[in-house]
Amino acid sequence: GAGVSQSPRYKVAKRGQDVALRCDPISGHVSLFWYQQALGQGPEFLTYFQNEAQLDKSGLPSDRFFAERPEGSVSTLKIQRTQQEDSAVYLCASSPFGSTDYGYTFGSGTRLTVV
Amino acid sequence: GQQLNQSPQSMFIQEGEDVSMNCTSSSIFNTWLWYKQDPGEGPVLLIALYKAGELTSNGRLTAQFGITRKDSFLNISASIPSDVGIYFCAGNNYGQNFVFGPGTRLSVLP
Repeated sequence: GAGVSQSPRYKVAKRGQDVALRCDPISGHVSLFWYQQALGQGPEFLTYFQNEAQLDKSGLPSDRFFAERPEGSVSTLKIQRTQQEDSAVYLCASSPFGSTDYGYTFGSGTRLTVV
Repeated sequence: GQQLNQSPQSMFIQEGEDVSMNCTSSSIFNTWLWYKQDPGEGPVLLIALYKAGELTSNGRLTAQFGITRKDSFLNISASIPSDVGIYFCAGNNYGQNFVFGPGTRLSVLP
């Protein structure tokens, strides 16, 4: 597709449930980023992939969060044993550059609500 | 860690007015970005700035990379209703991820 596609758009999870969020970046884009956006705040960095390599995961808030991009295209962000504080919009972005230094294109996000 | 402040937090303006907002950092950055986010959507890149003092326009939008490298400014001329949304600045240093500000919420009165 022409843009970054994320699915599902909305996810409601019971506390303790595992969830998986999918990101389809723009075709051919080398770099892929995950950000978390709490209500009323700016996006906060979670992790960065260059092709299939996860070069930076310093923003992942706990070991319950795991991201992968096994073939260098589609990426999945997995959250295990979800907690209420995990409720947020999870944004995926991609860039054609193999660098973090240029602006990137965001998807519409997945809104996760943990009840 | 690095933090960004955006001013004002929110603003109401009349359609047709010019808008100014700014972003300040506790440390210097090499790149500044300005994004706009509509409700239920992801942020959309408006302008990217790569050099201190740089002034770049995109239609009615003009952004500047502050000479101290600790701030950036966004101006919108002759605002229209579709300018409503949240404007985020973001900054980074080479090889690092972008840090986003808390946003400026713009509302335009008809």
